Amino acid sequence: AQRVTQPEKLLSVFKGAPVELKCNYSYSGSPELFWYVQYSRQRLQLLLRHISRESIKGFTADLNKGETSFHLKKPFAQEEDSAMYYCALARLDNNDMRFGAGTRLTVKP
Amino acid sequence: GAGVSQSPRYKVAKRGQDVALRCDPISGHVSLFWYQQALGQGPEFLTYFQNEAQLDKSGLPSDRFFAERPEGSVSTLKIQRTQQEDSAVYLCASSLLDRGTEAFFGQGTRLTVV
Repeated sequence: AQRVTQPEKLLSVFKGAPVELKCNYSYSGSPELFWYVQYSRQRLQLLLRHISRESIKGFTADLNKGETSFHLKKPFAQEEDSAMYYCALARLDNNDMRFGAGTRLTVKP
Repeated sequence: GAGVSQSPRYKVAKRGQDVALRCDPISGHVSLFWYQQALGQGPEFLTYFQNEAQLDKSGLPSDRFFAERPEGSVSTLKIQRTQQEDSAVYLCASSLLDRGTEAFFGQGTRLTVV
């Protein structure tokens, strides 16, 4: 089965500082990678997916197949970015999706 | 409503009691997932359905856990003889089968076993 690793449980930065949340994966097939976010008292929701190569709320993520990574980046963090972030991998053949343990991002004023 | 709906939102069960958690996915969504989320942890995979077929149940922690989706829409996760370690939030998500498609999550059911 696929596996997703988020090495940092907690990450704290000051407002306006760059932020990078790390995600590594292991999977022998072609992965579909996602970042999900959970704001306080809200349900998990999609932030971005690698297939669409989009930037959402200033966040970007690049799939690096050589390093099997999909790190999430934002050049200037905002206080409203404080949340739990989960990296997820879905299998291309059947859409089976697994999540990492999550990183709690705190952006301090 | 158009979203994934889970019921009940909260459930308190006495140790040894059986519980049933319900998930109403978005209409037309082929894929349905159950996850268990312990406090401070990420969603841990339990089981996955494609329509009524349970393609993977490798995440179910014991034979006390059972999930079904008999008509390919509503799903029920049943836990028999609940134990304290079963206390967690149980999340349901559904998605289309298309490549790169988004999974939509329910609010979850918080199960507390006392």
